[in-house]
Amino acid sequence: GNSVTQMEGPVTLSEEAFLTINCTYTATGYPSLFWYVQYPGEGLQLLLKATKADDKGSNKGFEATYRKETTSFHLEKGSVQVSDSAVYFCALNENNQGGKLIFGQGTELSVKP
Amino acid sequence: DAGVIQSPRHEVTEMGQEVTLRCKPISGHNSLFWYRQTMMRGLELLIYFNNNVPIDDSGMPEDRFSAKMPNASFSTLKIQPSEPRDSAVYFCASSQDQGRTDTQYFGPGTRLTVL
Repeated sequence: GNSVTQMEGPVTLSEEAFLTINCTYTATGYPSLFWYVQYPGEGLQLLLKATKADDKGSNKGFEATYRKETTSFHLEKGSVQVSDSAVYFCALNENNQGGKLIFGQGTELSVKP
Repeated sequence: DAGVIQSPRHEVTEMGQEVTLRCKPISGHNSLFWYRQTMMRGLELLIYFNNNVPIDDSGMPEDRFSAKMPNASFSTLKIQPSEPRDSAVYFCASSQDQGRTDTQYFGPGTRLTVL
């Protein structure tokens, strides 16, 4: 079945460090891929998405490229801030699943001043 | 624009009691989703509706859980009777439609504690 695997957290970085959170997926069709962010005590917010191979999603300095050959959608940011501390979820939505999002387990990021 | 609205934000109840969670989706959105989040199981889709009709309820844990969407602007998730293992954060989300590219917008969640 479809699944999403993320690198385990927590990830602790100093401010202005480079961030990578790995995400790989398994899907039988042609999924759309998403990164959601959850700040403490809040619901999930869409961070970025990509709907076909080689697409790059970007928002707020974060980027992720849809790599079909490696079935990956790694999240990157060149210089993190304390305000980026949150839990990040990778997710896929495959065409034949209707509206169903399959989430990874989440990666907690903590950025220290 | 108002986002997805959920109520209550927090609910504490005793085992055996009935619990009703409420959701108002974003106006104009045709699809509504109920998720449950726990440390052990992460985020799980419980059920989703399209145009007020339940499409996939395969994630509903058991008969104690039921969900309704009587109109386009309101949905409920009911647990009767509740059990301690139902303690979790329950999220409602809505999207324009149910296509694979549609973004789901999440509410703030209801934190349920069953004693």
